[in-house]
Amino acid sequence: GAGVSQSPSNKVTEKGKDVELRCDPISGHTALYWYRQSLGQGLEFLIYFQGNSAPDKSGLPSDRFSAERTGGSVSTLTIQRTQQEDSAVYLCASSLQGAGAGELFFGEGSRLTVL
Amino acid sequence: AQSVTQLDSHVSVSEGTPVLLRCNYSSSYSPSLFWYVQHPNKGLQLLLKYTSAATLVKGINGFEAEFKKSETSFHLTKPSAHMSDAAEYFCVVSRMNTGFQKLVFGTGTRLLVSP
Repeated sequence: GAGVSQSPSNKVTEKGKDVELRCDPISGHTALYWYRQSLGQGLEFLIYFQGNSAPDKSGLPSDRFSAERTGGSVSTLTIQRTQQEDSAVYLCASSLQGAGAGELFFGEGSRLTVL
Repeated sequence: AQSVTQLDSHVSVSEGTPVLLRCNYSSSYSPSLFWYVQHPNKGLQLLLKYTSAATLVKGINGFEAEFKKSETSFHLTKPSAHMSDAAEYFCVVSRMNTGFQKLVFGTGTRLLVSP
């Protein structure tokens, strides 16, 4: 596709349920990032994938959070046993290489509401 | 450690007047700095970036920013605001993290433009 695609755009779930958020990056982009944006907060780094290398998971807030990237393309962020504090917008971004001087291209995000 | 501080959570201007969004950074080495913009219900978009070349950086939509090492600042400016500039703006610094450069976002400044 032309840009980074995320689904679902909105997800409402009950506390304790598991959720999966999907990211389809720009074709050919080897780097993929997940960020979390909570109300009134900046973007919080969660996880980074680069090619076939082991992901950098240093930003995941707890072991309830996990992510995978299949075939170097589509990524899924999974949150198990959701809590109310998980409510946020989850943003995915991709780039041609690990960002630094490079530009990240962001999707429109998945808004998660945990009741 | 690298970090950015956006000094104003909200800035209000009238259409046609200058815009100034303030950002101070902290970095233990020469940083890469960025400004991203987020329009309502849209993904983040890169406005401009500084990577140790010219200290005055020009971006899209008439925005520019000046890197001032002595003041550790990277303020975003535009001579004349347009209604379409109303959005959230994020100052971003890049830092090394276990083999890749991770973007660290400020908490954002919401720009309001009145007719």
